[in-house]
Amino acid sequence: GAGVSQSPRYKVAKRGQDVALRCDPISGHVSLFWYQQALGQGPEFLTYFQNEAQLDKSGLPSDRFFAERPEGSVSTLKIQRTQQEDSAVYLCASSLAGTSGRYEDKNIQYFGAGTRLSVL
Amino acid sequence: AQTVTQSQPEMSVQEAETVTLSCTYDTSENNYYLFWYKQPPSRQMILVIRQEAYKQQNATENRFSVNFQKAAKSFSLKISDSQLGDTAMYFCAFMKRYNTDKLIFGTGTRLQVFP
Repeated sequence: GAGVSQSPRYKVAKRGQDVALRCDPISGHVSLFWYQQALGQGPEFLTYFQNEAQLDKSGLPSDRFFAERPEGSVSTLKIQRTQQEDSAVYLCASSLAGTSGRYEDKNIQYFGAGTRLSVL
Repeated sequence: AQTVTQSQPEMSVQEAETVTLSCTYDTSENNYYLFWYKQPPSRQMILVIRQEAYKQQNATENRFSVNFQKAAKSFSLKISDSQLGDTAMYFCAFMKRYNTDKLIFGTGTRLQVFP
């Protein structure tokens, strides 16, 4: 597609509910990143995929957070038993990093518009 | 570990004037990228400008330019001829080079451009 697409745009969940957030990266982008942005803060890294392989999940705050990218394209971030502190904007980004060949802009990450999660 | 600091929570500028946003960072790496991203109310992060640490020449993109001081670990953004559409949050970010790595962001500067 033309850009990174995220859905839903807004999600309201009751505490304890499970949620799933979707990210559709730019076609051909090998790398996919998830970030969490708390109110008034900069985004913080959650996890990174290269194709279907999850190469870094060091930023996931707890075992309630789980991400997958089974076919190396669309990714889903799942949060189980949501808590109020999970309320944030979840941003997805994709890039050509990890692609063979010389690309001047290989490491530029392109972001989606995010999903705002509110846990009541 | 790398850290990025933006010490100006809010800035304002009159339309057509020039404004400079500050950013400092801390790293022991020698090869890295620095970025400025813009985040309007729509929430979509938009790349403004990128600097490669091994390049001494400061990056420029139309009205946007940076002052990159590697020894001082400083990376400020200058916006010339400010426009109302420049109103947004601006984030400075760091990324290691030669590694498919995450962006490390500062806390952002809210820029308001007044008519």
